[in-house]
This record gives sequence, C-alpha cells and structure tokens, in this order.
Amino acid sequence: GAGVSQSPSNKVTEKGKDVELRCDPISGHTALYWYRQSLGQGLEFLIYFQGNSAPDKSGLPSDRFSAERTGGSVSTLTIQRTQQEDSAVYLCASSPDYTQYFGPGTRLTVL
Amino acid sequence: GEDVEQSLFLSVREGDSSVINCTYTDSSSTYLYWYKQEPGAGLQLLTYIFSNMDMKQDQRLTVLLNKKDKHLSLRIADTQTGDSAIYFCAEIPFYGGATNKLIFGTGTLLAVQP
Repeated sequence: GAGVSQSPSNKVTEKGKDVELRCDPISGHTALYWYRQSLGQGLEFLIYFQGNSAPDKSGLPSDRFSAERTGGSVSTLTIQRTQQEDSAVYLCASSPDYTQYFGPGTRLTVL
Repeated sequence: GEDVEQSLFLSVREGDSSVINCTYTDSSSTYLYWYKQEPGAGLQLLTYIFSNMDMKQDQRLTVLLNKKDKHLSLRIADTQTGDSAIYFCAEIPFYGGATNKLIFGTGTLLAVQP
C-alpha cells in the first residue's frame, strides 16, 4: 500500500520567509509525528498528534514553528520568518501503534 | 540528558557479518528499534524488539538486547553492498509519557566493501 508522502521534497527559501511543509500519513494511522534531522542536532522530535487529543508540542524549537492536522489525516508544519538554522530535513511519520513509518522527508534550505 | 550512543562508522567486506552496537538511555524503555537510512531517503523501519525479549531474528537480521547494560545490537549476516547505509537505533523511553516519541542514536555509517 501507499506509504507516508511528503511535499515538497526540496524547498529553498530566503531568510525571513514563511514555509509550509505537508505530510500525508498512511491511511488509518491515528498518530502522526514530525521530526527534524540536521547535522548538528541529529534526529529530534518536534510534535505529535493522536486522534482528537491536544498535540504534544514539546519539541518545537521556537514559537515560529507550528503544525496542524486536519480531519485526523493530512498535517502541515509551518515555519514563520525562517532562519538559516532552520535548514534541515523535516521528516514525518505515522503510526498505528508502537511502530512509526517515515516519509521521504522535505529538505529545507534557508539562504 | 543522556544520549543514545552509537559508533560512527563500520566497514566490512561483502559476505561478512556486521554488528552495529547501541547504548540507550532508559532501562524502562519498552520498545527498541533499528532504522536504516539510505542517501537522500527517509528512515526505513528494519526491526524492533520488546523489552521482555533478549533476542529477535528476522531473516539476515538478529537483534540482541541486554537490559542490564542498556545495550542493543544489530547483526546483519552475509552483508551485501546494498546494506551500505546509516543505521539508527531508537528507543521509546518510559519518561517520554504517552507520546511514544522516538529518541534516536547518532547513527552508524555502514560501508560494505566489495
């Protein structure tokens, strides 16, 4: 079946611009996660959605980062006023239980 | 806090066995995982083990778990050039609460020489 998909695969933006990253989880998976992978910090958790519960935003690095999940399916991660340190690969994962399945990621480059 | 630790690099010859080691942080972690990442790709779930198990075998992959030492290893038998990738161990620590967020190791780059 179809896996987790993310778009765009690559995004180049100028410092100070806003960006939106999209994640389409595997159908039927109730949990959705965003992680960030960067050279300096490795793989780090950003935010977690589970059904209709309030999201766990404890991993978001600043208030410039926000995310939403509409209808329990598609999720959008928004970064406002991007900075160069936001350059990273943003990975989305969905989960039916205790296993997480990752998408291919969005590589964000902030110039 | 503590880090999940892995050696950075492992080089093996094609056909040999590879053993990738990981030391995790939380002895109460319920689930432990191995992911594979090829260049420019996302993370592929290879295998996982429950904390009440000592060993799990899945085709060429064998996972060993030593809870006392918080040590996890992944053995790849008959390593092939297609196994060249970065391998991440990950845990879901008990202290993470209900979120089940993964805490990842630093990754081990496996290079398979033909």
